[in-house]
Amino acid sequence: EPEVTQTPSHQVTQMGQEVILRCVPISNHLYFYWYRQILGQKVEFLVSFYNNEISEKSEIFDDQFSVERPDGSNFTLKIRSTKLEDSAMYFCASSDPARVGEKLFFGSGTQLSVL
Amino acid sequence: KNEVEQSPQNLTAQEGEFITINCSYSVGISALHWLQQHPGGGIVSLFMLSSGKKKHGRLIATINIQEKHSSLHITASHPRDSAVYICAVLNSGGYQKVTFGTGTKLQVIP
Repeated sequence: EPEVTQTPSHQVTQMGQEVILRCVPISNHLYFYWYRQILGQKVEFLVSFYNNEISEKSEIFDDQFSVERPDGSNFTLKIRSTKLEDSAMYFCASSDPARVGEKLFFGSGTQLSVL
Repeated sequence: KNEVEQSPQNLTAQEGEFITINCSYSVGISALHWLQQHPGGGIVSLFMLSSGKKKHGRLIATINIQEKHSSLHITASHPRDSAVYICAVLNSGGYQKVTFGTGTKLQVIP
């Protein structure tokens, strides 16, 4: 079965550093998403991306964050000048809503630890 | 008040029991997802619903759009069903913002 892959699985960084989280969505999917889950809390929506642009973003997704689809396969989340509170599990997902009943497909997540 | 509320927050069941997890939402939606988060953190999508009922194996999901309510049922529960079950709604308006519930932690005891 096709899957969404995320790298790295764990990322440790110093506060103030920039990190790039990488995702390879399922190849024929059209919508891409980033979510995060702070330890012990619920999953939160960050951003959705369609047709090479952001289609929706949450209040969390401020100027510190950016997304990019640099080529036909990768979808990246960049966090500039990381803060302690950015420590969380970051999930990438993709979907193809053109197909009736299509579900979200999640990657296994990147655990980001900001020290 | 959360836009998506789940109940119960925690549920312990004996193997074989019929389980129901409820989700109520207060916003307009275009679809609702039921997700399963394993103890290791990985998330699997179980269902996407916009109306009626869906069944997959021992899992059944229903939605009542008028009442803004959905349920996830597990028949003949098994210890491997132990996980956090998350309801997430796709906000209406043609966009892709998803609002998540806080999850229901299910433990099925042999």
